Amino acid sequence: GAGVSQSPSNKVTEKGKDVELRCDPISGHTALYWYRQSLGQGLEFLIYFQGNSAPDKSGLPSDRFSAERTGGSVSTLTIQRTQQEDSAVYLCASSPQFRGTEAFFGQGTRLTVV
Amino acid sequence: SQQGEEDPQALSIQEGENATMNCSYKTSINNLQWYRQNSGRGLVHLILIRSNEREKHSGRLRVTLDTSKKSSSLLITASRAADTASYFCATADSGYSTLTFGKGTMLLVSP
Repeated sequence: GAGVSQSPSNKVTEKGKDVELRCDPISGHTALYWYRQSLGQGLEFLIYFQGNSAPDKSGLPSDRFSAERTGGSVSTLTIQRTQQEDSAVYLCASSPQFRGTEAFFGQGTRLTVV
Repeated sequence: SQQGEEDPQALSIQEGENATMNCSYKTSINNLQWYRQNSGRGLVHLILIRSNEREKHSGRLRVTLDTSKKSSSLLITASRAADTASYFCATADSGYSTLTFGKGTMLLVSP
């Protein structure tokens, strides 16, 4: 596609429910990141995928968070048993090569846990 | 953890004026990047400066990097109302194992 696509754009969920956020990176990009941004804050790193290598999960805040990347393309971030503090904008980005080069961001998913 | 820290947190100027934002970081880097974010959604890459470069230009943007002081500045010349956005610096560590963002500077350009 022309850019990184994220869905849904907005998600409102009840506390305790599970949610899945999807990211379609730019075709051919081997690196994919997930970040979280709380209101008025910077970007908090969550997880990084590079090709077929084991992902860097060092930023995941708890075991309620998990992510996978199927076929080296589409990625899904899953949050189980959502809490109100999970409310944030979840941003996905991809890079043509490796981490540290220019990142192309999607428009994000705004998650609200009520 | 935050690597880059932008300064100031917020900046308000008039159209036509120049805007300068600063970024400080703590560890050795391979490159430093500046991004722009409108309305709290996706970020757009503006410019990348490598650790062996001191200055880079792109249109109305000028970026400097001082590795001895571990700092960078972004200058936007002849600002426009459309430049209103949040600006973030991001650092790639020397081993390319991280891309870490700061908290950003919110720029408001008034007509």
